[in-house]
Amino acid sequence: NAGVMQNPRHLVRRRGQEARLRCSPVKGHSHVYWYRQLPEEGLKFMVYLQKENIIDESGMPKERFSAEFPKEGPSILRIQQVVRGDSAAYFCASSPDSNSPLHFGNGTRLTVT
Amino acid sequence: GDSVTQMEGPVTLSEEAFLTINCTYTATGYPSLFWYVQYPGEGLQLLLKATKADDKGSNKGFEATYRKETTSFHLEKGSVQVSDSAVYFCALAGRGGSQGNLIFGKGTKLSVKP
Repeated sequence: NAGVMQNPRHLVRRRGQEARLRCSPVKGHSHVYWYRQLPEEGLKFMVYLQKENIIDESGMPKERFSAEFPKEGPSILRIQQVVRGDSAAYFCASSPDSNSPLHFGNGTRLTVT
Repeated sequence: GDSVTQMEGPVTLSEEAFLTINCTYTATGYPSLFWYVQYPGEGLQLLLKATKADDKGSNKGFEATYRKETTSFHLEKGSVQVSDSAVYFCALAGRGGSQGNLIFGKGTKLSVKP
């Protein structure tokens, strides 16, 4: 069984560009979560989605960041007009329901130059 | 708000040494508590969890007991191996008790030398 698949593993963007991070959950999991890990920090919750719905986006910055989990295809975390402070590891996790433990992907490491 | 504090690393031990990584939390109510492990270049994996006071979570020789009185969930292992070298994160279930909205500590890096 494939686990949570994230791509790309590494992404380099210049300031002002857009970054798109993809996450395919474990087959059969309909709950997806995005976390951000800044250098020397723990993971911070960003957003929780179920198919086509945002359930909790309390951890998402108000501007430039958006997330979706369409009916078909992977979940996408989109960062517009990236800045150096967006450089971090972004982890996606999935679960079959809101009470089950999370399965994490290997992360996408975003570097903004 | 809710928070998790864990001992700062890095922690360096010799193989077969005893391991303790301290974790304390601040929360309203009694949230579920977790330890996750992150091996180099990988995502986090659930190591163990406890859902109520006095519960003991255990896995792969690691243990942690949910202590309501001291608001702690310290991770222990009697004899570490080189393969245990990783970063360990303590976490609690956040908003609404969902296991998806987790509040993590900053992580403790463990290096085990042969």
